Amino acid sequence: DAKTTQPPSMDCAEGRAANLPCNHSTISGNEYVYWYRQIHSQGPQYIIHGLKNNETNEMASLIITEDRKSSTLILPHATLRDTAVYYCIVRVRSGGSQGNLIFGKGTKLSVKP
Amino acid sequence: DTEVTQTPKHLVMGMTNKKSLKCEQHMGHRAMYWYKQKAKKPPELMFVYSYEKLSINESVPSRFSPECPNSSLLNLHLHALQPEDSALYLCASSQDRGGVGELFFGEGSRLTVL
Repeated sequence: DAKTTQPPSMDCAEGRAANLPCNHSTISGNEYVYWYRQIHSQGPQYIIHGLKNNETNEMASLIITEDRKSSTLILPHATLRDTAVYYCIVRVRSGGSQGNLIFGKGTKLSVKP
Repeated sequence: DTEVTQTPKHLVMGMTNKKSLKCEQHMGHRAMYWYKQKAKKPPELMFVYSYEKLSINESVPSRFSPECPNSSLLNLHLHALQPEDSALYLCASSQDRGGVGELFFGEGSRLTVL
């Protein structure tokens, strides 16, 4: 079973920041938070990951709460091409089954003109 | 080269046919994966190969048979499939299974079973 809870859908105006929440209240100390997205009819694409600290790369920022029970993916200036299903996934750095990338239902983000 | 290439992009087969899906990566990754994705559902893990050995089979029916001929190639052999097996089949690779590194996904092979 997926260990995360995300809203099924969200809308965002083009050019505005998109803030996608994720709840992972049962996260373990050695589990990382990963975000992937899947644009229609394409394979999933890695966005960002983090353990405790906030992270930023050229695509997005990841804000993890101090208790690590939730996180927010921020797309600072959403474009129409960011319309996709966004998956928040927790996994350990492990060669065992807990290290597998298991997708939950994700959030369908629609960026509107 | 940061691509995972899957062929064919589309495949239509009858329930008595034998066909194969192919996946190739040249990133030097040692872990490769097959996922199955039904319409409007998230991808589901099927198989994991690590250093060319099958390490995970998520209770997949035997009509799906994976093969990893070398570290760059991953095949999925299909035989006696059912219409409910129609789906998008995604291949992915990562540096290794235990790392924090990301998975790179291919565009998928869309399979229709008649």
